[in-house]
Amino acid sequence: DGGITQSPKYLFRKEGQNVTLSCEQNLNHDAMYWYRQDPGQGLRLIYYSQIVNDFQKGDIAEGYSVSREKKESFPLTVTSAQKNPTAFYLCASRLIVGARGNQPQHFGDGTRLSIL
Amino acid sequence: QQQVKQSPQSLIVQKGGISIINCAYENTAFDYFPWYQQFPGKGPALLIAIRPDVSEKKEGRFTISFNKSAKQFSLHIMDSQPGDSATYFCAASRKGGGNKLTFGTGTQLKVEL
Repeated sequence: DGGITQSPKYLFRKEGQNVTLSCEQNLNHDAMYWYRQDPGQGLRLIYYSQIVNDFQKGDIAEGYSVSREKKESFPLTVTSAQKNPTAFYLCASRLIVGARGNQPQHFGDGTRLSIL
Repeated sequence: QQQVKQSPQSLIVQKGGISIINCAYENTAFDYFPWYQQFPGKGPALLIAIRPDVSEKKEGRFTISFNKSAKQFSLHIMDSQPGDSATYFCAASRKGGGNKLTFGTGTQLKVEL
């Protein structure tokens, strides 16, 4: 089945450690997005990418980094510079090329990151 | 300019009743307004979406009402069922700039028997 796979489902980070969250999609979507979800704050955009080897900062990019070496993959690294990383991280993708009208973003089932 | 305000924060409805969630936006450049449904531990799933050239869109028990002059839109869930108990998010985006979504803060809906 086509979809967006995020792994791991749960992740624990020690102080001062970088961790990488995986996001893979087999929907042949062009754009991919990373959001952070905190209780009572909705979803906030961290980074997004519309094509391979290109990405842009979202509203809360500080302390995060991404890469887009392949169309189907958009990993997110939470660096030690992110002082409050505990959150639910969601990856999304969207079709651009060949799309009719505005195409919606489709989400994975998230990774919950906690600090040890 | 990028904010989307959502209310209420939580809502309890009796089975068979109508659930109503409201959103207001500021940026007049927004041209796409989706609603997402999220169950605990899962990612949001698109429920229904509307563009500002129509005032209402209905899909099954779910209806979006859109008031362009007031910059408001709402989700109505008719004949609410316990299985509808979830968190609902409104969102908005505009053409260009990656079609980034700006989300409301969410409404936690509980449908009681």
